[in-house]
Amino acid sequence: DIQLTQSPSFLSASVGDRVTITCRASQGISSYLAWYQQKPGKAPKLLIYTASTLQSGVPSRFSGSGSGTEFTLTISSLQPEDFATYYCQQLNSYPRTFGQGTKVEIK
Amino acid sequence: EVQLVESGGGLIQPGRSLRLSCTASGFTFGDYAVSWVRQAPGKGLEWVGFIRSKAYGGTTEYAASVRGRFTISRDDSKSIAYLQMNSLKTEDTAVYYCTRDLHHDAFDIWGQGTMVTVS
Repeated sequence: DIQLTQSPSFLSASVGDRVTITCRASQGISSYLAWYQQKPGKAPKLLIYTASTLQSGVPSRFSGSGSGTEFTLTISSLQPEDFATYYCQQLNSYPRTFGQGTKVEIK
Repeated sequence: EVQLVESGGGLIQPGRSLRLSCTASGFTFGDYAVSWVRQAPGKGLEWVGFIRSKAYGGTTEYAASVRGRFTISRDDSKSIAYLQMNSLKTEDTAVYYCTRDLHHDAFDIWGQGTMVTVS
């Protein structure tokens, strides 16, 4: 199984900060990586797919990059509504796997 | 509106069976694969399994943790996917989400989730 390791697991930041979350895969997954945002009590929401494609309706302050084994999710200017938990997911092979999550909290 | 709605969750004793339903609307359900994902209380996301569209054989794949106990099926005439869960264990306690599975791209639509408590 492909393991995904996100760093950091917890992040404290202020409104307006630039935030970067990293996701590392235990083996190459080409660009078959997605990012999701989850708020408490809600279902995850797709932000980015194929590593760098912004899902329709997602603000342009979110961006993704990477290929192979290392990927990043960047929020260029953190907004109050962005405080949430973020997960990466690989879609290269089965079983599909998720990272452990990165919780972004208000400093 | 494109949406998925899960139902069928509840409190169930270990060893018993439960069937979850996922009802789709707003898109041609039969054209898409469906994945089920679960989230134990306070934990991360775990992929449970998926079913391909009929165009790709309607076949299934499962996580090792549920293989042999869980079965996914679909009724395209009703736009419903099912997750049949047998021999339930306490560690199956979770919110279960159904998703529209775009194969290599992502899970782009998620239901609101249904809670299953095995106790």
